Amino acid sequence: NAGVTQTPKFQVLKTGQSMTLQCAQDMNHEYMSWYRQDPGMGLRLIHYSVGAGITDQGEVPNGYNVSRSTTEDFPLRLLSAAPSQTSVYFCASSQSIGGRQPQHFGDGTRLSIL
Amino acid sequence: GQQVMQIPQYQHVQEGEDFTTYCNSSTTLSNIQWYKQRPGGHPVFLIQLVKSGEVKKQKRLTFQFGEAKKNSSLHITATQTTDVGTYFCAAPEGDSNYQLIWGAGTKLIIKP
Repeated sequence: NAGVTQTPKFQVLKTGQSMTLQCAQDMNHEYMSWYRQDPGMGLRLIHYSVGAGITDQGEVPNGYNVSRSTTEDFPLRLLSAAPSQTSVYFCASSQSIGGRQPQHFGDGTRLSIL
Repeated sequence: GQQVMQIPQYQHVQEGEDFTTYCNSSTTLSNIQWYKQRPGGHPVFLIQLVKSGEVKKQKRLTFQFGEAKKNSSLHITATQTTDVGTYFCAAPEGDSNYQLIWGAGTKLIIKP
């Protein structure tokens, strides 16, 4: 029972590099989202998707892009990494609308930008 | 925008003592969710409260939703070392329900 799978688990980048964080779920969930978690803070929503082909911005979208070509996958792209993007990134999914359903989280990607 | 304020930020307790965390909103919430995150782990859903004045229990955990649906609390009776972690509340933003707004979390620390 895989649930939500995130790769990689750890990554170190240099300022200006780009990369894609992968997220896949096998629960046929319509809603998927990306959060970042910084020390002492709650989770902040970056982008979310209510279904394949539909994405929207969350609270902190700048510097990130997403796409949702399939129900299963929801990759997060960092366009030009900055030190302020050093954080732990979590992908989550739920059966339907995010605010009404329990969120299932992946194990996270710990990202450091030098 | 909408905020969910969660207090305290930390709580140190002796094993066996009780623990409580509180979440407050300036606006009426349609529902509130509670999650637990173990150190180094990911948030895990605990419960969702929907009705005004609702009280739900899970073993030693008691969750309450205020009558005005603007506040909520999580109370743990007789803490154990397995309770260590950070407890978060989360609520939908506005009327859209598409986004969850998270409290900053309360970290439960068990004193040796």
